[in-house]
Amino acid sequence: AQTVTQSQPEMSVQEAETVTLSCTYDTSESDYYLFWYKQPPSRQMILVIRQEAYKQQNATENRFSVNFQKAAKSISLKISDSQLGDAAMYFCAGDKIIFGKGTRLHILP
Amino acid sequence: SQTIHQWPATLVQPVGSPLSLECTVEGTSNPNLYWYRQAAGRGLQLLFYSVGIGQISSEVPQNLSASRPQDRQFILSSKKLLLSDSGFYLCAWSVPGAGNSPLHFGNGTRLTVT
Repeated sequence: AQTVTQSQPEMSVQEAETVTLSCTYDTSESDYYLFWYKQPPSRQMILVIRQEAYKQQNATENRFSVNFQKAAKSISLKISDSQLGDAAMYFCAGDKIIFGKGTRLHILP
Repeated sequence: SQTIHQWPATLVQPVGSPLSLECTVEGTSNPNLYWYRQAAGRGLQLLFYSVGIGQISSEVPQNLSASRPQDRQFILSSKKLLLSDSGFYLCAWSVPGAGNSPLHFGNGTRLTVT
């Protein structure tokens, strides 16, 4: 089974700036998916972006993109042009069901 | 479209009382179903998952149990709650056999054991 590690408990970014959240994982699988979820203060978990391991191209969804480094077993989430609504807990998940401990992102106006 | 319903939204129960949280999914058949607990606003701990009626896998031994009496119904139970059972419980579903299917979460239940 995978393990997922998010080493940044909290981060802050100025509104309109770019921020990168880190995630590393461990797996023995050759093909797998990785996910980033957002949990705003409402506590509703929302899928932000997903990455398939065999795809070289980094996934992108509007202002959200990943930097997937398969050899390093790393997938970071980049949020461009940060907005106040981006303030939330962000969770990295692997093997579909294994979650990291999350990073709380604060957006400074 | 698929929807997931989880209730109640909030629950306050005394120590030693029973627990029943319910989750139902609409608009899909034979979903994979999951129960997670989130303590103190931090990471998600997988408690149970199910790939079919009556098929329950437990990830963490504790005084909680889960049942799946119907295809799209998942119930989390306890006979006697402990203080440590307090937390935020999330039900989720995913498409079976699809590795790229994300988890789709309910709105959660905030449980406080007093």
